[in-house]
Amino acid sequence: SAVISQKPSRDICQRGTSLTIQCQVDSQVTMMFWYRQQPGQSLTLIATANQGSEATYESGFVIDKFPISRPNLTFSTLTVSNMSPEDSSIYLCSVVLLSGGSYEQYFGPGTRLTVT
Amino acid sequence: LAKTTQPISMDSYEGQEVNITCSHNNIATNDYITWYQQFPSQGPRFIIQGYKTKVTNEVASLFIPADRKSSTLSLPRVSLSDTAVYYCLAPLGSARQLTFGSGTQLTVLP
Repeated sequence: SAVISQKPSRDICQRGTSLTIQCQVDSQVTMMFWYRQQPGQSLTLIATANQGSEATYESGFVIDKFPISRPNLTFSTLTVSNMSPEDSSIYLCSVVLLSGGSYEQYFGPGTRLTVT
Repeated sequence: LAKTTQPISMDSYEGQEVNITCSHNNIATNDYITWYQQFPSQGPRFIIQGYKTKVTNEVASLFIPADRKSSTLSLPRVSLSDTAVYYCLAPLGSARQLTFGSGTQLTVLP
């Protein structure tokens, strides 16, 4: 299994500012991801955080808006840049552990962001 | 992309068995089917995973027919604390396909 922590757990920010969310895993993992979950909605994959190279973004998400760092196999950051109220959401860090042909996916507790 | 379809919501009463079915018509040969549970203000939690036939653990059973185009999560004797959103996930092999469907809101009534 994997234990994931995120900082901050929640924040209230003003529009136009940026917030960096940290994700720490208790073991080295290859596959790490960032998701967004808007109120009452399902999870949407933002990007795959690649260690040692640029993140891989899903359709609708760009690096200028959501820059991601992955300096090592246990840590990653997601920055929400130039925020607007539409960015109010829960941001979740996730890792996947592979075991033979199957896998297990674990999620952090999330960071609840409110933009005013 | 192995898109999944599940009922939006279900109601049940304490002590009953609940079955939530998910369809994944385009599941690939190598895909596993995974179910997650999410409580408000928490990240999703892994419940169970299977490839075919039946898998059982301490919290649930997962039934997968031979054609693997659907799966059924079975929760025995639910309690109020089982009220949550349940997600079925049937991704392809690459990380790009780890996309969640709409989920099923299960409400357990006293």
